[in-house]
Amino acid sequence: AQSVTQPDIHITVSEGASLELRCNYSYGATPYLFWYVQSPGQGLQLLLKYFSGDTLVQGIKGFEAEFKRSQSSFNLRKPSVHWSDAAEYFCAVGAGYNFNKFYFGSGTKLNVKP
Amino acid sequence: EAGVTQFPSHSVIEKGQTVTLRCDPISGHDNLYWYRRVMGKEIKFLLHFVKESKQDESGMPNNRFLAERTGGTYSTLKVQPAELEDSGVYFCASSQETLYNEQFFGPGTRLTVL
Repeated sequence: AQSVTQPDIHITVSEGASLELRCNYSYGATPYLFWYVQSPGQGLQLLLKYFSGDTLVQGIKGFEAEFKRSQSSFNLRKPSVHWSDAAEYFCAVGAGYNFNKFYFGSGTKLNVKP
Repeated sequence: EAGVTQFPSHSVIEKGQTVTLRCDPISGHDNLYWYRRVMGKEIKFLLHFVKESKQDESGMPNNRFLAERTGGTYSTLKVQPAELEDSGVYFCASSQETLYNEQFFGPGTRLTVL
């Protein structure tokens, strides 16, 4: 069965520090993977997605993620965090008809210290 | 271009009452999805419309939930009668009718059942 695990519920980093948010998935075929971000009062915004090709994916706002099939992981990274990055981050895998049924992790809340 | 909109943003009702949530997708998007997030848990898929037809309703919790999408435009999700465990945030998303397309999410409706 498809599932996504985000092991870190809360993470706090200092502004300017590097960030890595973990995501592990379970899916029988080639996964279609996403990272979304939700700021307070906003909908989920797509940061980046992966289906095939280069395993290092660049997204918006300076984020990148690396797909590692051997580890069933799709970790999100940013070299230098800004205060505006404080939000909740969701990893998801697309499955089902046209990969349109998304399975989400439980989210990671990021706090940024000044 | 207007994004996905949801109404109301918040709803507080008593157990046993009926509530109807509305979602207006991005114009021209044939695919419309409903998801739900119960407090602190993962965002879970409820169902998927392609135009006015239900493509996948495997995530609907029980027959107290009824989703419609008349005319293939906006959608409603009715909960009747509401139970305490229905509390959570209900997200709507839409996408174009092609493979691997990004789902655009609305801000969600926070439902509280007392």
